[in-house]
Amino acid sequence: GAVVSQHPSWVICKSGTSVKIECRSLDFQATTMFWYRQFPKQSLMLMATSNEGSKATYEQGVEKDKFLINHASLTLSTLTVTSAHPEDSSFYICSARVGLAVSRGSYNEQFFGPGTRLTVL
Amino acid sequence: DAKTTQPTSMDCAEGRAANLPCNHSTISGNEYVYWYRQIHSQGPQYIIHGLKNNETNEMASLIITEDRKSSTLILPHATLRDTAVYYCIVKDRGSQGNLIFGKGTKLSVKP
Repeated sequence: GAVVSQHPSWVICKSGTSVKIECRSLDFQATTMFWYRQFPKQSLMLMATSNEGSKATYEQGVEKDKFLINHASLTLSTLTVTSAHPEDSSFYICSARVGLAVSRGSYNEQFFGPGTRLTVL
Repeated sequence: DAKTTQPTSMDCAEGRAANLPCNHSTISGNEYVYWYRQIHSQGPQYIIHGLKNNETNEMASLIITEDRKSSTLILPHATLRDTAVYYCIVKDRGSQGNLIFGKGTKLSVKP
């Protein structure tokens, strides 16, 4: 249980285009979903936190108009990188916090997706 | 900033126990110690967490000192597939706690 998927696993796009990344909790309802970004040889940096049906909370320095987050249901969150530029090339990882428990002890724990590698040319 | 300090890297021989230390001297009473690992180009994988008692599961054991200022993650029989970056994170288990990642320890398991 507690599986999080992301789609696509990798994407290459041209500068100036927009890219949408999906994050799904497959076997549980996620009260909260998180988006992280990881540059090569660096640690994960939290970008934003989103709760189903409400606006996302962005970390300092993250442009909310550039990184659009939609959390329309308890199992799906999307991150759209608008007008992508080469400096946005990174590994984007989502995480979901368990709402309804899939197993004893998993309530409120966070599980991560496999990540999406974005390359902007 | 992360509230934990870990060694940058460690080596371990295959089949031997890997002991990964973590200092969290400013941990508060309601914060848990979590361990995740990240294998290259994958998302982080949950390993174990604890509050004050030692914990064990099918992946690892977690030893927390009595004063809770440090802990050790033990992989009892390391394999090559355990090569990864291991993150020690302290977090309030309540709904407001987020996982903030530090630099972690790069564990290299060698044949």
